[in-house]
Amino acid sequence: SQTIHQWPATLVQPVGSPLSLECTVEGTSNPNLYWYRQAAGRGLQLLFYSVGIGQISSEVPQNLSASRPQDRQFILSSKKLLLSDSGFYLCAWSVGGQGWTPLHFGNGTRLTVT
Amino acid sequence: AQSVTQPDIHITVSEGASLELRCNYSYGATPYLFWYVQSPGQGLQLLLKYFSGDTLVQGIKGFEAEFKRSQSSFNLRKPSVHWSDAAEYFCAVHPGTALSFGKGTTLSVSS
Repeated sequence: SQTIHQWPATLVQPVGSPLSLECTVEGTSNPNLYWYRQAAGRGLQLLFYSVGIGQISSEVPQNLSASRPQDRQFILSSKKLLLSDSGFYLCAWSVGGQGWTPLHFGNGTRLTVT
Repeated sequence: AQSVTQPDIHITVSEGASLELRCNYSYGATPYLFWYVQSPGQGLQLLLKYFSGDTLVQGIKGFEAEFKRSQSSFNLRKPSVHWSDAAEYFCAVHPGTALSFGKGTTLSVSS
C-alpha cells in the first residue's frame, strides 16, 4: 500500500532563517505531488505541484520554492523565512497519468516563525 | 475559475442527531467533488468522492453526500453523529490544477 511521510511534524524557526520541509511517498511510481498551506479560517492554499521529476508549478508567488529531486521526494524550501510563512504545511500525492484521482495527505508540519 | 463555498464556519450537533454540512461550488461543468475530514493537528482524510453516475455517494465512517446539479451543491450528511466525528470538514472540487478547497466547517459534538 502507499504511504506518505512528511517531516518534521513541528518546527520553530526565527525570521530570516532557511527552511527545508521534506515529503516522500512509498508504494507508487510517478505520483503527482503537492504542497498546500493551511492558515486558520482560510482553508487550504495550493502552493506547488509537480507531475514529474524536476517539474514544478507554482500557484502563488511568494517566499517559498519547491523541488523534486527524485520521483517520490518533494521538498519545500525558503532562503529567508518571514513571519507570514507560519502555518500548517501539508504534502499530498495523487496517482499520476491516470486522469483525476483523489489526493492523499501527509500528517503535516506545523511551522512557527518567531 | 472554479470555487468552493462552505457557508457554515462552525456547527454544533448533539450526539446521536443528524448532520448536514453544506457545500456549493462554482464551475461551468460537472466537476469532481470530494469531502475530506481533518482531526486537530493531522492531515486530511478522504471521506468520499463524486465523479459521475449515482448522485448519492457513500463514504467511510457512515457519511454520505448528494450531488445536486441544479443547486451546484454537494452536501455531506450523516444520520447519527458520534462524538468522534468532531473535526474540521473540507469540501473540494476539481478540475483545475489541483483540488480547490473550501474554507472548512468545524463540527463540534455536544453530549
